[in-house]
Amino acid sequence: ETGVTQSPTHLIKTRGQQVTLRCSSQSGHNTVSWYQQALGQGPQFIFQYYREEENGRGNFPPRFSGLQFPNYSSELNVNALELDDSALYLCASSIDSTEAFFGQGTRLTVV
Amino acid sequence: AQSVSQHNHHVILSEAASLELGCNYSYGGTVNLFWYVQYPGQHLQLLLKYFSGDPLVKGIKGFEAEFIKSKFSFNLRKPSVQWSDTAEYFCAVNHPGGSYIPTFGRGTSLIVHP
Repeated sequence: ETGVTQSPTHLIKTRGQQVTLRCSSQSGHNTVSWYQQALGQGPQFIFQYYREEENGRGNFPPRFSGLQFPNYSSELNVNALELDDSALYLCASSIDSTEAFFGQGTRLTVV
Repeated sequence: AQSVSQHNHHVILSEAASLELGCNYSYGGTVNLFWYVQYPGQHLQLLLKYFSGDPLVKGIKGFEAEFIKSKFSFNLRKPSVQWSDTAEYFCAVNHPGGSYIPTFGRGTSLIVHP
């Protein structure tokens, strides 16, 4: 186990709804990143937080937003869900952007 | 923007066969290179990494990878695969200019027949 935990593990939402995914970082890790992994694809970078500030963002629309809390846990929020948002969402934590440790992911299905 | 190419999307081998998975990246400066593995139903985990030094890197479970700077490549190898190596393999790259944010390849699905 990596010490990175994500919740929930599975989720089904309706198109147009909003969703919040949660991630607890490994102890001592100050950097958290979120990825979207569609079926048959590699993880695509959504954004990264370092000490509660966003310090990098991938090619995702503004309806994908996030937070990092003082204890370095994190949330990913997605508004106005679309069918194409169905994917595995991965959280990874690291110390100062070195080796990333991944959680098991949240499988989101949008119907 | 950097990109990572994994040439083999699906590989099927018999046990004891040798494995080589290709990975090429596009960034021309200093890079860090990674291979991750995702076993069925499990989280992504690091197989090996290269930051600097000896370009031949040894990882867990008998895997190794060679960094060839002139070819922008970081191929993964294993001399003799086992059924338990069946998994998805992802190559990833990060670099200082990109805030060390890794870019992943699309992955290679490896199936090893017993």
